[in-house]
Amino acid sequence: AQSVSQHNHHVILSEAASLELGCNYSYGGTVNLFWYVQYPGQHLQLLLKYFSGDPLVKGIKGFEAEFIKSKFSFNLRKPSVQWSDTAEYFCAVNARNTDKLIFGTGTRLQVFP
Amino acid sequence: DTGVSQDPRHKITKRGQNVTFRCDPISEHNRLYWYRQTLGQGPEFLTYFQNEAQLEKSRLLSDRFSAERPKGSFSTLEIQRTEQGDSAMYLCASSPIGTGGVGVYGYTFGSGTRLTVV
Repeated sequence: AQSVSQHNHHVILSEAASLELGCNYSYGGTVNLFWYVQYPGQHLQLLLKYFSGDPLVKGIKGFEAEFIKSKFSFNLRKPSVQWSDTAEYFCAVNARNTDKLIFGTGTRLQVFP
Repeated sequence: DTGVSQDPRHKITKRGQNVTFRCDPISEHNRLYWYRQTLGQGPEFLTYFQNEAQLEKSRLLSDRFSAERPKGSFSTLEIQRTEQGDSAMYLCASSPIGTGGVGVYGYTFGSGTRLTVV
């Protein structure tokens, strides 16, 4: 069965600091990987995804993630966070032979001005 | 509005009552998914449809839960004899079918229905 681990439950940063949120998945086959973001009071929105090709994926709002197959990881990064990045971030995995996403427990990011 | 719509946004019900939620997906999306999210957790898969066919149902879903998508458009999720443990945010999402499917397009989520069982 697939599973996703997000090690950082709560991250607090100052504006302009760099961000890296960890995501590891458990599944032996081919996967698609996603990061979703949920801003306060809003619905889940797709931030970026990996389907195939270049393992370094760029998303919206300056976010990027790198798929490292050997480490079963898909960490999210941003070189300089803004107060508006305050949100909850969810990593998700989809095994290629299924249609459902399995989500991690999420990381709450707070950015202070 | 071309997003995923869910109704109602909030529902408070007494334990033992039945509740029904509705989801209207993006019109050209064939796949529709229901998830449940509790505080401090990520969305948990409940069930999904391709057109009107229910293709998978989570083993975690008790017999009190039933979902339908009768005409392949909107879907309803009913919970019978609600329990306090059913209190959660119920999320609906949709996705098109295409080469690569979910992997290429991901899901588009609605805003959810927050259920509180008192």
